Amino acid sequence: DAKTTQPNSMESNEEEPVHLPCNHSTISGTDYIHWYRQLPSQGPEYVIHGLTSNVNNRMASLAIAEDRKSSTLILHRATLRDAAVYYCILRVPEGGKLIFGQGTELSVKP
Amino acid sequence: EAGVAQSPRYKIIEKRQSVAFWCNPISGHATLYWYQQILGQGPKLLIQFQNNGVVDDSQLPKDRFSAERLKGVDSTLKIQPAKLEDSAVYLCASSLALRTILGEQYFGPGTRLTVT
Repeated sequence: DAKTTQPNSMESNEEEPVHLPCNHSTISGTDYIHWYRQLPSQGPEYVIHGLTSNVNNRMASLAIAEDRKSSTLILHRATLRDAAVYYCILRVPEGGKLIFGQGTELSVKP
Repeated sequence: EAGVAQSPRYKIIEKRQSVAFWCNPISGHATLYWYQQILGQGPKLLIQFQNNGVVDDSQLPKDRFSAERLKGVDSTLKIQPAKLEDSAVYLCASSLALRTILGEQYFGPGTRLTVT
């Protein structure tokens, strides 16, 4: 399974945009890029996923590099409730298992 | 829509004792997963069920861990006997089906196990 690399931690100010990077240089052509986040004392929750094109949903945006070797999760206006560990995961299309790395711990300052 | 339910939420046992965790997935979800999350690490998949059949148990320490999903709904995960290194949060997740492009997984709140 291809691996991802993320910074251990990042800080953001409330109501400012946050860009969470993820490197996945060994990604294969069929791997989907998934993002999950885990709030304190909770199970992970799905955020967004994409294959080649940039994606938007109510929670976030996903920007995927043209060569697909990296991607960025964008939170447009961080709130205190966005403080969590964010996981970038590569997944094969047919329901492949989620392999979590260390993730990025995002802290949001008021 | 009710989420994934797990019980108990917390459990403290002594090493060499046994323990069981219960999971009730979202209604209609065919696929069920058990993960182990050690403090400071991401969750690690232990076992994956499709209905009541095992799809992947390659990371399950079968000498002490067992899991079942009778009737393809609820599931139990058992540890017998427990070791100190089993202290972790045990997460249950479910998804609609194995063979979907999305396959979004929905996680329960987890059971925090402390082995003393």
